[in-house]
Amino acid sequence: DTAVSQTPKYLVTQMGNDKSIKCEQNLGHDTMYWYKQDSKKFLKIMFSYNNKELIINETVPNRFSPKSPDKAHLNLHINSLELGDSAVYFCASSQGAILNYGYTFGSGTRLTVV
Amino acid sequence: KQEVTQIPAALSVPEGENLVLNCSFTDSAIYNLQWFRQDPGKGLTSLLLIQSSQREQTSGRLNASLDKSSGRSTLYIAASQPGDSATYLCAVYETSYDKVIFGPGTSLSVIP
Repeated sequence: DTAVSQTPKYLVTQMGNDKSIKCEQNLGHDTMYWYKQDSKKFLKIMFSYNNKELIINETVPNRFSPKSPDKAHLNLHINSLELGDSAVYFCASSQGAILNYGYTFGSGTRLTVV
Repeated sequence: KQEVTQIPAALSVPEGENLVLNCSFTDSAIYNLQWFRQDPGKGLTSLLLIQSSQREQTSGRLNASLDKSSGRSTLYIAASQPGDSATYLCAVYETSYDKVIFGPGTSLSVIP
């Protein structure tokens, strides 16, 4: 299936731990994104990569570090997890600019920090 | 600063009704606007994408319109079905900061 896939789907972890969320797209898209959806359902962009290069880095704590080994993958590593990091994290991709084609989203990773 | 709002926040309708969801944005300088649906515990599915030069897009029972000058978009759902129950989000791709801004969504329940 052609898609944006994220793993894991659910992640429960204790405060202070380090965790990673993986994202892969087989759509041949150039640009990948990480979004955070908070408890009020607002979606906010965190990072954007185009052909493995960072092009958007919103005001996100340094504890969040994206890694793009190739243009089909954009992983999100989070250090020293805090309670406030609990949210649903979505990976997305687009072909070039969002201008013409819009986004394709993954199914999300629900992170719960306890 | 671009702000996107969606009214109502929640909507409940009986099956078979036609309904309209609203999306408003404060800055008309946009490239495009996209409508998504989000099912509980799942990701976002793209429904319709309207470029700034377009007035509307149609897909099956869905019709999305765009009035850039007034900062409004509507998503019309004809003959609603229980399977349409989901949260519907609109997102605008603004030109000023080259960003996509999402609205908070409208939670739709279609009652059999």
